[in-house]
Amino acid sequence: EPEVTQTPSHQVTQMGQEVILRCVPISNHLYFYWYRQILGQKVEFLVSFYNNEISEKSEIFDDQFSVERPDGSNFTLKIRSTKLEDSAMYFCASRGTSGSETQYFGPGTRLLVL
Amino acid sequence: AQSVTQLGSHVSVSEGALVLLRCNYSSSVPPYLFWYVQYPNQGLQLLLKYTTGATLVKGINGFEAEFKKSETSFHLTKPSAHMSDAAEYFCAVSLNPYSGGGADGLTFGKGTHLIIQP
Repeated sequence: EPEVTQTPSHQVTQMGQEVILRCVPISNHLYFYWYRQILGQKVEFLVSFYNNEISEKSEIFDDQFSVERPDGSNFTLKIRSTKLEDSAMYFCASRGTSGSETQYFGPGTRLLVL
Repeated sequence: AQSVTQLGSHVSVSEGALVLLRCNYSSSVPPYLFWYVQYPNQGLQLLLKYTTGATLVKGINGFEAEFKKSETSFHLTKPSAHMSDAAEYFCAVSLNPYSGGGADGLTFGKGTHLIIQP
């Protein structure tokens, strides 16, 4: 069964460093998303991406964040200068055509900023 | 704007007992509603969803939920709890994904941790 994959599973970085989180969505999906979950809190929407541009973004997704689909398979989230409060689990999700409502989630990348 | 309220951050039931996890939503347009389950150290797995049509929806692992517009609720139930049901459960709402453009980011509730007592 096709699934969303994410790498790395864990990442530790120093405050102020740039990190890139990678996702491989399900191959025929067209809509892509990033969410985050700070430890003990709810899952929060960050951004959605369709047709090579951002469709929607939350107030969390400020200028420190960017997304990219550099090739036909990867979808990345970049945090330019990490802050302590960026420590969280980051989930990628993808959705098929407009005939499908379900977002399929990857296993997540746990980011720890020291 | 949308919001989701899940009553009870922790719910404990005995094995074999009824499971009821509550979810109320707020949405300015007809919502699309979802329940996701998260097992420890894993991602989110879709349990079931409501889009249109029949208001009682059935999902995986014996779970079901009923959309009640008048009560703005989408409570999750399972007649008989199993030890393997212990997990975190999230209710979520989105705008109509058929509107195109991908502006359908999910808004999640805070989650309910389901504990199954032997």
